[in-house]
Amino acid sequence: AQSVTQLDSHVSVSEGTPVLLRCNYSSSYSPSLFWYVQHPNKGLQLLLKYTSAATLVKGINGFEAEFKKSETSFHLTKPSAHMSDAAEYFCVVSDQGGSQGNLIFGKGTKLSVKP
Amino acid sequence: GAGVSQSPSNKVTEKGKDVELRCDPISGHTALYWYRQRLGQGLEFLIYFQGNSAPDKSGLPSDRFSAERTGESVSTLTIQRTQQEDSAVYLCASSLDRDPYGYTFGSGTRLTVV
Repeated sequence: AQSVTQLDSHVSVSEGTPVLLRCNYSSSYSPSLFWYVQHPNKGLQLLLKYTSAATLVKGINGFEAEFKKSETSFHLTKPSAHMSDAAEYFCVVSDQGGSQGNLIFGKGTKLSVKP
Repeated sequence: GAGVSQSPSNKVTEKGKDVELRCDPISGHTALYWYRQRLGQGLEFLIYFQGNSAPDKSGLPSDRFSAERTGESVSTLTIQRTQQEDSAVYLCASSLDRDPYGYTFGSGTRLTVV
C-alpha cells in the first residue's frame, strides 16, 4: 500500500533562513508525489508535483522538492523563508500508478516563521 | 464554475441530528472526492465518484455516512445521527477523469457537533 510519513509535525524557522520539511514515502509503483499547502482558513493549494520527468521539482513561491528513490524521500525545501510561508504543508502520494488514483495525505507539518 | 464550491462553510449541529454537506465541482470534472480532516490531522479519504457512480467507498467510516452525486455534478455527503467524533473539516475535490495531477479542492465545510 502507498503511504507517506512526514517526519516533523512542527517546524519553526526564522525569516530569511532555509526551510526543510521532510517526507518519506512507500509505494509499490513508480510514485506520483505532491506537496500541498494549506493556509489558515483557506483551501488546499498544490505547491508542486513529481512526474518522473526530473528528480528536482520546482514549485510555486520558491519551493522545490527532490525525489530520491534510494532514500524513498521527497523533502520540500526553500532557500529563504518568508513570513507568508507560515502554513500547514502536506506530502501526498497517489494510491495507484500512472494517471489514476486517490490521493493519500501525510499528517502534515506546520511551518512557523519567526520575524 | 471557476472552482470547487462547498456549502455551508460552517455548520454547528447537535449530537444525534443529521447533516447534509454539498459540493459543486468544476464543470466537466468527471471525478469527485470527499475527504475528512480532523483537527491536527492529514486528510482521510472518504469516497470517490466517477460520474454518478461511487466505485470506491472504502473510506466511509460507518454506515451513518453516505454520499450521492447527480447529473455528474453536485454531490451531497450525508451524516446521520451525528456524533462528536464527526467534528472535522470535510473537503471536496474534483478532477478531470481521476487525474491525480489535476485535483482542485474546495475550501471545505467545518462541521462541529455539540
